[in-house]
Amino acid sequence: DAGVIQSPRHEVTEMGQEVTLRCKPISGHDYLFWYRQTMMRGLELLIYFNNNVPIDDSGMPEDRFSAKMPNASFSTLKIQPSEPRDSAVYFCASSPGGAAYGYTFGSGTRLTVV
Amino acid sequence: GQQLNQSPQSMFIQEGEDVSMNCTSSSIFNTWLWYKQEPGEGPVLLIALYKAGELTSNGRLTAQFGITRKDSFLNISASIPSDVGIYFCAGQLGSGYALNFGKGTSLLVTP
Repeated sequence: DAGVIQSPRHEVTEMGQEVTLRCKPISGHDYLFWYRQTMMRGLELLIYFNNNVPIDDSGMPEDRFSAKMPNASFSTLKIQPSEPRDSAVYFCASSPGGAAYGYTFGSGTRLTVV
Repeated sequence: GQQLNQSPQSMFIQEGEDVSMNCTSSSIFNTWLWYKQEPGEGPVLLIALYKAGELTSNGRLTAQFGITRKDSFLNISASIPSDVGIYFCAGQLGSGYALNFGKGTSLLVTP
């Protein structure tokens, strides 16, 4: 298995631009999670899906952030408009049965907003 | 999410030394997990713990689920240079909750 695949690995964009991060979970994993990692705040949960349905989006910072999972093999996290404070590493993770089974993380997308 | 307090924040040790780190919370967790993150990669699961008092090993790593269910410990014996990385604890409050992560313990090992 190729693991959780995220793209792009790096993204540099100007403030105000739209940014779309992509994730392909491991086949057969019913749970998909988006986390954001910064030095100050560590790993923060943004949103998670179960069987393509958003279950908890309380961590989504504000209306500028949106996430979708149109099918079991693909998810996107979109930021529009982007701001410098959105600069972070964004991780996607998947799990076969929720948190207790542990997550498999992707390699992350390092986003820099200038 | 519930705050997990990890300590120490960083450790700088010599190869061959044993390492101990811990994670505490004011909340009760029903699952504790330990992850390791290397530069440029996502965290990788090391050990999962499911019952209070449980002691689980994975090679030179041993982790324990605290009796109070509010803490967990990770020990690394006879450290080697490839143990370098950031170690995260993570806890789940209950079914349906996502994992909360500590802020990590950064480990440096000198040959």
